[in-house]
This record gives sequence, structure tokens and C-alpha cells, in this order.
Amino acid sequence: DGGITQSPKYLFRKEGQNVTLSCEQNLNHDAMYWYRQDPGQGLRLIYYSQIVNDFQKGDIAEGYSVSREKKESFPLTVTSAQKNPTAFYLCASSTRANEQFFGPGTRLTVL
Amino acid sequence: DAKTTQPNSMESNEEEPVHLPCNHSTISGTDYIHWYRQLPSQGPEYVIHGLTSNVNNRMASLAIAEDRKSSTLILHRATLRDAAVYYCIQSRKLIWGLGTSLAVNP
Repeated sequence: DGGITQSPKYLFRKEGQNVTLSCEQNLNHDAMYWYRQDPGQGLRLIYYSQIVNDFQKGDIAEGYSVSREKKESFPLTVTSAQKNPTAFYLCASSTRANEQFFGPGTRLTVL
Repeated sequence: DAKTTQPNSMESNEEEPVHLPCNHSTISGTDYIHWYRQLPSQGPEYVIHGLTSNVNNRMASLAIAEDRKSSTLILHRATLRDAAVYYCIQSRKLIWGLGTSLAVNP
């Protein structure tokens, strides 16, 4: 089955700790994205990557970092510099027509 | 501003058609209009997209105004499973508004 997987589904961390969220796709898409969603809000773009070894900041990149060493993988690290990291994180990949396919999301709670 | 504007909420009865409007008055000539829907605690699901002509697929129809400043997503016969938040976005801008929360009454 082709699709996008994110793990874990729920993640709890202590304040001040870095945490890495996983995102893998087997759709052979070049472009991948990370979004953040807060309760009752729309999605906000954190980072995106159009091709391996290249990525660009989105609207809210501060406190986050990414890497794109393989086409299939686009992990997101939430660093201790992110002031309010508790949120629902969504990863997506897209076709050339920008039709985006989303993973199931990771709900991060910082205690 | 590349944002889209949608009503906060709409309501429909089961098996009736639903028309979900979206304004995108600053859209550029090469920007597609994409529609997605999202159930609680899930990732958004692609519904349909278009550029200038009206589009149909198995899920919905998309009617695009001649000046491309607005569009309407049409669900021909709403079911309870269509209850979700519907987002329209401009494909190049990746700016997601609050969407329209659709309630479907049995």
C-alpha cells in the first residue's frame, strides 16, 4: 500500500528536550512538507522540501529543524528553542500538481 | 494577501446537495484551487482541484467563477461521513485558513 506514515501517533516530552518526529513516504513524490495545527486552527507550514538535500523555511520555522537525506524520509526535530511546541504535527508529500497526501499526524505534548 | 475566505460553518441534511463557497480574490493566473477535508484528529484528505474549468470526480464537483476569484465545492448528496472541516487553498501559497465546518443532519 502506498502512503505516508508518521510515528509515533502520540509523543510526550519534558520541557527543554529536543524531539524528532518521523515521516516516511513510498509514493515516489519529490516534495514533502511539515505543518503544525493548533486546536480549532488551520494548518501552518513549518518547512518544505522540493528535492533531496534541499529544504526551505515555511511561515513558522523558528525552533524547528529538518533534513532530507533520502527521497522517502523527511524528519522534523522540535528543538528546545520552540516556545510552545505542544500541537498536532502533520507531514505531507505532493504530486507535481501540488495535490498533497497527508500522514495520520503526531500529537506532541510537552509537559 | 494569498489567503482564502470561507464561512466558518454550514449545515446540511443528509442526501441533500451542499454548496461550499470560497473566495480567493488575489489568486494568480497559474495558481490552482485545491480543496481538502479533515476529520477530527486526522490528516486532511484531498478532495478536488481545478484551474479554470469546472471539475468533477467521484467525491465532488468544483465550480470555478469565470474571473477565478471564487469557487464552490459541490457535494451532490451529503452523507453523514461528509461531516468534516473543508479547506480551500491556493496550491502555490500553502496558506490554510480556518476552513468551513460542515455538519450533516440525519
